[in-house]
Amino acid sequence: GEDVEQSLFLSVREGDSSVINCTYTDSSSTYLYWYKQEPGAGLQLLTYIFSNMDMKQDQRLTVLLNKKDKHLSLRIADTQTGDSAIYFCAPGGNSGNTPLVFGKGTRLSVIA
Amino acid sequence: ETGVTQSPTHLIKTRGQQVTLRCSSQSGHNTVSWYQQALGQGPQFIFQYYREEENGRGNFPPRFSGLQFPNYSSELNVNALELDDSALYLCASSLGDRVETQYFGPGTRLLVL
Repeated sequence: GEDVEQSLFLSVREGDSSVINCTYTDSSSTYLYWYKQEPGAGLQLLTYIFSNMDMKQDQRLTVLLNKKDKHLSLRIADTQTGDSAIYFCAPGGNSGNTPLVFGKGTRLSVIA
Repeated sequence: ETGVTQSPTHLIKTRGQQVTLRCSSQSGHNTVSWYQQALGQGPQFIFQYYREEENGRGNFPPRFSGLQFPNYSSELNVNALELDDSALYLCASSLGDRVETQYFGPGTRLLVL
Protein backbone atom coordinates (compact mmCIF):
# COMPACT_ATOMS: atom_id res chain seq x y z
CA GLY A 1 0.00 0.00 0.00
CA GLU A 2 0.84 3.67 -0.03
CA ASP A 3 3.60 4.88 2.27
CA VAL A 4 4.06 8.56 3.09
CA GLU A 5 7.15 9.99 4.75
CA GLN A 6 7.65 13.43 6.23
CA SER A 7 10.23 14.88 8.56
CA LEU A 8 8.69 15.13 12.02
CA PHE A 9 9.77 18.62 13.09
CA LEU A 10 10.56 21.99 11.54
CA SER A 11 11.36 25.21 13.35
CA VAL A 12 11.49 28.61 11.62
CA ARG A 13 11.60 32.26 12.60
CA GLU A 14 8.59 34.47 12.06
CA GLY A 15 8.78 36.12 8.65
CA ASP A 16 11.00 33.42 7.13
CA SER A 17 9.82 30.85 4.60
CA SER A 18 8.99 27.30 5.68
CA VAL A 19 9.44 24.30 3.42
CA ILE A 20 7.78 21.03 4.39
CA ASN A 21 8.75 17.98 2.37
CA CYS A 22 6.91 14.74 1.69
CA THR A 23 7.75 11.56 -0.21
CA TYR A 24 5.21 8.94 -1.22
CA THR A 25 5.27 5.59 -2.96
CA ASP A 26 2.04 5.28 -4.99
CA SER A 27 2.67 6.77 -8.42
CA SER A 28 -1.02 6.48 -9.34
CA SER A 29 -2.02 9.31 -7.00
CA THR A 30 -4.02 11.74 -9.07
CA TYR A 31 -4.45 14.49 -6.51
CA LEU A 32 -2.10 15.27 -3.65
CA TYR A 33 -3.34 17.23 -0.67
CA TRP A 34 -1.91 19.27 2.15
CA TYR A 35 -3.80 19.45 5.44
CA LYS A 36 -3.13 21.51 8.57
CA GLN A 37 -4.01 20.35 12.08
CA GLU A 38 -3.94 22.77 14.99
CA PRO A 39 -3.74 21.41 18.55
CA GLY A 40 -6.89 19.56 19.58
CA ALA A 41 -8.59 20.21 16.24
CA GLY A 42 -9.56 18.36 13.09
CA LEU A 43 -7.81 18.66 9.74
CA GLN A 44 -8.11 21.76 7.59
CA LEU A 45 -7.66 21.35 3.83
CA LEU A 46 -4.99 23.87 2.79
CA THR A 47 -4.46 23.13 -0.86
CA TYR A 48 -4.05 20.34 -3.37
CA ILE A 49 -2.25 19.77 -6.65
CA PHE A 50 -3.18 17.67 -9.65
CA SER A 51 -0.57 15.12 -10.64
CA ASN A 52 0.00 16.63 -14.09
CA MET A 53 1.11 19.93 -12.55
CA ASP A 54 4.60 20.84 -11.33
CA MET A 55 3.64 23.81 -9.22
CA LYS A 56 0.61 25.48 -7.72
CA GLN A 57 0.58 28.82 -5.94
CA ASP A 58 -2.18 29.91 -3.61
CA GLN A 59 -1.45 33.19 -1.78
CA ARG A 60 1.38 32.41 0.69
CA LEU A 61 1.38 28.72 -0.20
CA THR A 62 3.40 27.15 -3.00
CA VAL A 63 3.17 23.44 -3.75
CA LEU A 64 5.89 21.77 -5.80
CA LEU A 65 5.48 18.28 -7.22
CA ASN A 66 8.25 16.10 -8.62
CA LYS A 67 6.27 13.16 -9.89
CA LYS A 68 9.34 11.25 -11.09
CA ASP A 69 10.86 11.29 -7.60
CA LYS A 70 7.44 11.10 -5.87
CA HIS A 71 8.33 14.18 -3.88
CA LEU A 72 5.92 16.88 -2.79
CA SER A 73 6.72 20.07 -0.92
CA LEU A 74 4.76 22.88 0.67
CA ARG A 75 6.36 26.30 0.96
CA ILE A 76 4.81 28.86 3.29
CA ALA A 77 6.03 32.38 2.62
CA ASP A 78 6.30 34.95 5.43
CA THR A 79 5.56 32.34 8.09
CA GLN A 80 3.49 33.62 11.00
CA THR A 81 2.99 32.31 14.54
CA GLY A 82 -0.52 31.29 13.50
CA ASP A 83 1.04 28.84 11.05
CA SER A 84 2.33 26.74 13.97
CA ALA A 85 0.60 23.38 13.54
CA ILE A 86 1.08 19.87 12.20
CA TYR A 87 1.07 19.59 8.42
CA PHE A 88 0.10 16.40 6.62
CA CYS A 89 0.55 15.55 2.99
CA ALA A 90 -1.98 13.02 1.69
CA PRO A 91 -1.75 11.47 -1.74
CA GLY A 92 -5.19 10.61 -3.04
CA GLY A 93 -7.07 9.25 -6.00
CA ASN A 94 -9.16 10.97 -8.58
CA SER A 95 -12.35 11.69 -6.71
CA GLY A 96 -13.66 13.00 -3.43
CA ASN A 97 -14.38 9.42 -2.42
CA THR A 98 -10.82 8.17 -2.49
CA PRO A 99 -9.54 7.39 1.02
CA LEU A 100 -6.56 9.46 2.00
CA VAL A 101 -3.26 8.02 3.20
CA PHE A 102 -1.40 10.14 5.74
CA GLY A 103 2.11 10.09 7.12
CA LYS A 104 2.91 11.12 10.68
CA GLY A 105 2.93 14.79 9.74
CA THR A 106 5.44 17.59 10.24
CA ARG A 107 5.15 19.74 13.36
CA LEU A 108 5.97 23.33 12.39
CA SER A 109 7.04 25.65 15.20
CA VAL A 110 7.28 29.35 14.44
CA ILE A 111 9.54 31.37 16.72
CA ALA A 112 8.62 35.01 17.21
CA GLU B 1 -15.45 26.20 9.70
CA THR B 2 -16.26 23.27 7.42
CA GLY B 3 -19.88 22.56 8.36
CA VAL B 4 -18.96 19.03 9.45
CA THR B 5 -19.92 18.37 13.05
CA GLN B 6 -19.12 15.47 15.34
CA SER B 7 -20.47 14.39 18.71
CA PRO B 8 -19.54 13.97 21.42
CA THR B 9 -16.31 15.98 21.57
CA HIS B 10 -14.81 13.81 24.30
CA LEU B 11 -15.66 10.41 25.70
CA ILE B 12 -14.24 8.09 28.36
CA LYS B 13 -15.07 4.38 28.28
CA THR B 14 -13.71 1.26 29.92
CA ARG B 15 -12.27 -1.78 28.19
CA GLY B 16 -14.95 -4.11 26.82
CA GLN B 17 -17.63 -1.44 26.49
CA GLN B 18 -19.25 -0.27 23.27
CA VAL B 19 -19.27 3.26 21.85
CA THR B 20 -21.16 5.16 19.15
CA LEU B 21 -19.75 8.29 17.56
CA ARG B 22 -21.75 10.58 15.31
CA CYS B 23 -21.00 12.78 12.32
CA SER B 24 -23.14 15.25 10.41
CA SER B 25 -21.80 15.90 6.96
CA GLN B 26 -21.64 19.23 5.17
CA SER B 27 -24.84 20.14 3.38
CA GLY B 28 -25.05 18.49 -0.03
CA HIS B 29 -22.26 15.95 0.65
CA ASN B 30 -23.19 12.31 0.09
CA THR B 31 -20.02 10.59 1.33
CA VAL B 32 -18.63 10.19 4.83
CA SER B 33 -15.24 8.70 5.63
CA TRP B 34 -14.03 7.82 9.12
CA TYR B 35 -10.41 7.97 10.28
CA GLN B 36 -8.65 7.02 13.51
CA GLN B 37 -5.76 9.20 14.66
CA ALA B 38 -3.68 7.78 17.49
CA LEU B 39 -1.51 10.14 19.48
CA GLY B 40 1.50 11.29 17.46
CA GLN B 41 0.32 9.54 14.30
CA GLY B 42 -1.42 10.55 11.12
CA PRO B 43 -5.05 9.62 10.54
CA GLN B 44 -5.74 6.07 9.35
CA PHE B 45 -8.70 5.24 7.14
CA ILE B 46 -11.36 3.07 8.84
CA PHE B 47 -14.18 2.98 6.26
CA GLN B 48 -16.32 5.08 3.99
CA TYR B 49 -20.04 5.32 3.35
CA TYR B 50 -21.48 6.53 0.06
CA ARG B 51 -25.24 6.92 -0.30
CA GLU B 52 -25.86 4.67 2.74
CA GLU B 53 -23.63 1.80 1.56
CA GLU B 54 -20.14 0.89 2.77
CA ASN B 55 -17.80 1.91 -0.02
CA GLY B 56 -14.39 0.78 1.14
CA ARG B 57 -12.72 -0.31 4.33
CA GLY B 58 -9.25 0.01 5.80
CA ASN B 59 -7.36 -2.50 7.92
CA PHE B 60 -9.69 -2.45 10.93
CA PRO B 61 -11.42 -5.45 12.56
CA PRO B 62 -15.18 -6.11 12.23
CA ARG B 63 -15.85 -4.71 15.71
CA PHE B 64 -15.56 -1.33 13.97
CA SER B 65 -18.84 -0.85 12.12
CA GLY B 66 -20.84 2.03 10.74
CA LEU B 67 -24.03 3.36 9.32
CA GLN B 68 -25.05 6.18 7.04
CA PHE B 69 -28.54 7.60 7.18
CA PRO B 70 -30.75 9.02 4.38
CA ASN B 71 -29.69 12.56 5.36
CA TYR B 72 -26.07 11.36 4.90
CA SER B 73 -25.15 11.72 8.56
CA SER B 74 -23.18 8.77 9.88
CA GLU B 75 -22.34 6.71 12.95
CA LEU B 76 -19.20 4.82 13.88
CA ASN B 77 -19.71 1.96 16.34
CA VAL B 78 -16.89 0.20 18.14
CA ASN B 79 -17.62 -2.94 20.15
CA ALA B 80 -15.48 -4.64 22.80
CA LEU B 81 -13.29 -1.58 23.28
CA GLU B 82 -9.57 -2.11 23.75
CA LEU B 83 -7.01 0.24 25.27
CA ASP B 84 -5.47 0.80 21.82
CA ASP B 85 -8.77 2.22 20.58
CA SER B 86 -7.95 5.40 22.48
CA ALA B 87 -7.59 8.00 19.73
CA LEU B 88 -9.08 10.99 17.97
CA TYR B 89 -11.81 9.83 15.58
CA LEU B 90 -12.29 12.08 12.58
CA CYS B 91 -14.98 12.05 9.97
CA ALA B 92 -14.64 13.69 6.58
CA SER B 93 -17.50 14.51 4.26
CA SER B 94 -17.21 14.88 0.53
CA LEU B 95 -19.17 14.98 -2.68
CA GLY B 96 -18.22 11.90 -4.65
CA ASP B 97 -16.96 13.46 -7.82
CA ARG B 98 -15.52 16.68 -6.44
CA VAL B 99 -11.93 16.13 -5.44
CA GLU B 100 -11.51 19.34 -3.50
CA THR B 101 -14.43 18.72 -1.19
CA GLN B 102 -12.98 16.44 1.49
CA TYR B 103 -13.71 18.33 4.69
CA PHE B 104 -12.96 17.10 8.17
CA GLY B 105 -14.90 17.60 11.36
CA PRO B 106 -13.26 18.55 14.68
CA GLY B 107 -13.11 14.94 15.86
CA THR B 108 -14.18 12.94 18.90
CA ARG B 109 -11.46 12.14 21.39
CA LEU B 110 -12.01 8.69 22.91
CA LEU B 111 -10.15 7.47 25.96
CA VAL B 112 -10.42 3.80 26.89
CA LEU B 113 -9.39 2.92 30.45
